[in-house]
Amino acid sequence: AQKVTQAQTEISVVEKEDVTLDCVYETRDTTYYLFWYKQPPSGELVFLIRRNSFDEQNEISGRYSWNFQKSTSSFNFTITASQVVDSAVYFCALSEDSTDKLIFGTGTRLQVFP
Amino acid sequence: DAGVIQSPRHEVTEMGQEVTLRCKPISGHNSLFWYRQTMMRGLELLIYFNNNVPIDDSGMPEDRFSAKMPNASFSTLKIQPSEPRDSAVYFCASSKGERGPGANVLTFGAGSRLTVL
Repeated sequence: AQKVTQAQTEISVVEKEDVTLDCVYETRDTTYYLFWYKQPPSGELVFLIRRNSFDEQNEISGRYSWNFQKSTSSFNFTITASQVVDSAVYFCALSEDSTDKLIFGTGTRLQVFP
Repeated sequence: DAGVIQSPRHEVTEMGQEVTLRCKPISGHNSLFWYRQTMMRGLELLIYFNNNVPIDDSGMPEDRFSAKMPNASFSTLKIQPSEPRDSAVYFCASSKGERGPGANVLTFGAGSRLTVL
């Protein structure tokens, strides 16, 4: 069965610190997709990134970067030089090749203080 | 594009009443999803449709919940009768389905916050 674990319930940092959000997943499929979504205090869910299981290249987008490691079944998310606007709940999610069903982790609440 | 539109944004009702949540997906998207978010259980998929047909309703809690998608631009999630434990934020999402299963990005609506007293 598929499962996504985000062990960090809440992280607090001071502005300009780097922070890494962990995500570990379980699946029996060889083809699958991993996602990160952001949920700011306003409540909507915003898509950040999608990665397929055959693409282990790390990705960088501005202050955001993602580290995908199949060997450890992890898909971690790093925010460099965090800002107050990064304060949100971040969700990691998994879908398998056979379905559009997206399974979410429990989320990590990030608080960035000025 | 207006995005995924959900109504009502907030609903307060009394136990036993019928609740209907509505969703208009993004035009051209052929998959629609209903999720529920609670503190205890996080984000759970209730049901999803592809081309207006229910594909997976294994997450629907019980017979009190029902969902319909009569056409490509409208879906409803109904709870009858409602109970206090149904209090949650209900999200609707849609995807275009231009890639294979599993690869499509879901775009979420703003959510409907339901409180059952």
